Amino acid sequence: AQSVTQPDIHITVSEGASLELRCNYSYGATPYLFWYVQSPGQGLQLLLKYFSGDTLVQGIKGFEAEFKRSQSSFNLRKPSVHWSDAAEYFCAVGALYGNKLVFGAGTILRVKS
Amino acid sequence: GAGVSQTPSNKVTEKGKYVELRCDPISGHTALYWYRQSLGQGPEFLIYFQGTGAADDSGLPNDRFFAVRPEGSVSTLKIQRTERGDSAVYLCASSARRDQQEQYFGPGTRLTVT
Repeated sequence: AQSVTQPDIHITVSEGASLELRCNYSYGATPYLFWYVQSPGQGLQLLLKYFSGDTLVQGIKGFEAEFKRSQSSFNLRKPSVHWSDAAEYFCAVGALYGNKLVFGAGTILRVKS
Repeated sequence: GAGVSQTPSNKVTEKGKYVELRCDPISGHTALYWYRQSLGQGPEFLIYFQGTGAADDSGLPNDRFFAVRPEGSVSTLKIQRTERGDSAVYLCASSARRDQQEQYFGPGTRLTVT
């Protein structure tokens, strides 16, 4: 069965510092991987996705993620965090012709000035 | 263009009552998904429609939950005999094609059962 683990429930970083949010997945075939962001009272917004090809993918708002098959990981990174990045981040896995996304429990990002 | 919309944004109901939650997907999107997000958790899959038919309802927790999409566009999630454990945010998503897997989410309906 598919599963996603986000080991960090909360992360606090200083504004301007770099960020890495961890995501590990379990899936029996080639995974389709996603990062979504959810601000309070808002819907989920897609940051980036990995389907195939280059394992380093670029997304919106300056985010990037790297797919590492050997580690079953898809960590999200940003070189310099802005206060507006404070939100909850969800990693998800799906499949081609799949019927659903399986989400991790999320990581809450706090940005301190 | 318009995104996925959901109504109502908030719903408070008493235990045992019936509720309907509505989802308007992005125009032209053939696939529609319902998820439930409990406090402190990620969204959990409930049901998937391709066109008018429910292609996968394996995530529905029990037979009190039912969803329809009669014309292949708007969908309604129906919950009978609500229980306090049904309190959650119900999210709807749509995608353009089944193989695209890029799902666009609505803002959700927060259901509170008292």
